[in-house]
Amino acid sequence: DTGVSQDPRHKITKRGQNVTFRCDPISEHNRLYWYRQTLGQGPEFLTYFQNEAQLEKSRLLSDRFSAERPKGSFSTLEIQRTEQGDSAMYLCASSLWSSGRAVETQYFGPGTRLLVL
Amino acid sequence: DQQVKQNSPSLSVQEGRISILNCDYTNSMFDYFLWYKKYPAEGPTFLISISSIKDKNEDGRFTVFLNKSAKHLSLHIVPSQPGDSAVYFCAASEGSNYKLTFGKGTLLTVNP
Repeated sequence: DTGVSQDPRHKITKRGQNVTFRCDPISEHNRLYWYRQTLGQGPEFLTYFQNEAQLEKSRLLSDRFSAERPKGSFSTLEIQRTEQGDSAMYLCASSLWSSGRAVETQYFGPGTRLLVL
Repeated sequence: DQQVKQNSPSLSVQEGRISILNCDYTNSMFDYFLWYKKYPAEGPTFLISISSIKDKNEDGRFTVFLNKSAKHLSLHIVPSQPGDSAVYFCAASEGSNYKLTFGKGTLLTVNP
């Protein structure tokens, strides 16, 4: 396993269109995170899953955004009715969590760069 | 409000010298801190981390220092190499809520 993968790496779309991104985590990792990074900023948390359960969503995640992890493996992030303000790098990260671990380290994928025209 | 701050947008050092990157935080509940390195068009790569029960963690050329009373951490790279040139992000998490809060990053340039 070579790490977290994301597809596509780049997406150009027109305002109002829907887009969907996919993330495949490191195979044994049970937690999966989505972040968004805009120019000049650090990544910002959007949402995360433990197995198939979505445990937290940021207020940044408007109702146009939906994320799923149906079988606890890969995840998809869909943006409906895209706006120019959605243009950003969307990053996925995964980690191995257990109740006995004091800390966990998140490993990031290469990201999907979205441009909304 | 920025809970994790990297006040230096950029840093330039000579090859072989020490690079010191700084990070300040405001949330006293943060108890785990990480440094990531990011090249253009790639995702962040994990470098090193430190738990709040420690004040120093070392891994090869990289050392992270944590000063809890000052809410400050720093990353030392010795010796610096041109391949270290990248954006470095400081990140923090709180307890069992492992979502990361990032700073804005510092662009490190190591000149040959």
